[in-house]
Amino acid sequence: QKEVEQDPGPLSVPEGAIVSLNCTYSNSAFQYFMWYRQYSRKGPELLMYTYSSGNKEDGRFTAQVDKSSKYISLFIRDSQPSDSATYLCAMSPSNFGNEKLTFGTGTRLTIIP
Amino acid sequence: DSGVTQTPKHLITATGQRVTLRCSPRSGDLSVYWYQQSLDQGLQFLIQYYNGEERAKGNILERFSAQQFPDLHSELNLSSLELGDSALYFCASSVLSGVGDTQYFGPGTRLTVL
Repeated sequence: QKEVEQDPGPLSVPEGAIVSLNCTYSNSAFQYFMWYRQYSRKGPELLMYTYSSGNKEDGRFTAQVDKSSKYISLFIRDSQPSDSATYLCAMSPSNFGNEKLTFGTGTRLTIIP
Repeated sequence: DSGVTQTPKHLITATGQRVTLRCSPRSGDLSVYWYQQSLDQGLQFLIQYYNGEERAKGNILERFSAQQFPDLHSELNLSSLELGDSALYFCASSVLSGVGDTQYFGPGTRLTVL
């Protein structure tokens, strides 16, 4: 079993819908959680970075962490065709030391105009 | 454009060969990271350098090695290549070295081993 599980999709939703992307994990030591967006033929880019449990909002994006359930989510409101990409979750037990940064395999999202 | 450059964009080689991938970080960034992305394994962290010194090591095979030069560019050397080494190799850079520091990814090098 992988330390981080992410539904690969693909996920297709109509423009304007609320999108929910999720990851589950098994390592209770994870404290730092990130979401990356990766467009086709491009490198990933950091979208959200959160520490421990709780919510963090940035524009149309909200990251949610539930450490008790070992479950993290990324919500996209008012989804746009430009949001079509692969979304990767990543997590680490420490803010220092990239060696323990573990990624999910990514969810491919398509927003239909 | 992230400001991170990687060369070459594509590389096709045969099993048993050795290749070198090159990365130039964004101006001012001291950390360079190497990642491997394959369909079955997803994105995996390989190794990180900070200001010329190895800072963190992930799932990097012994056949692979890297270094960061005084001008901060980095090279990833892959030797005794196997079919399973076919993947996208990304380089990323950041100003500092924490996992929360925004890493700017390059466009990647697609390696195909035949």
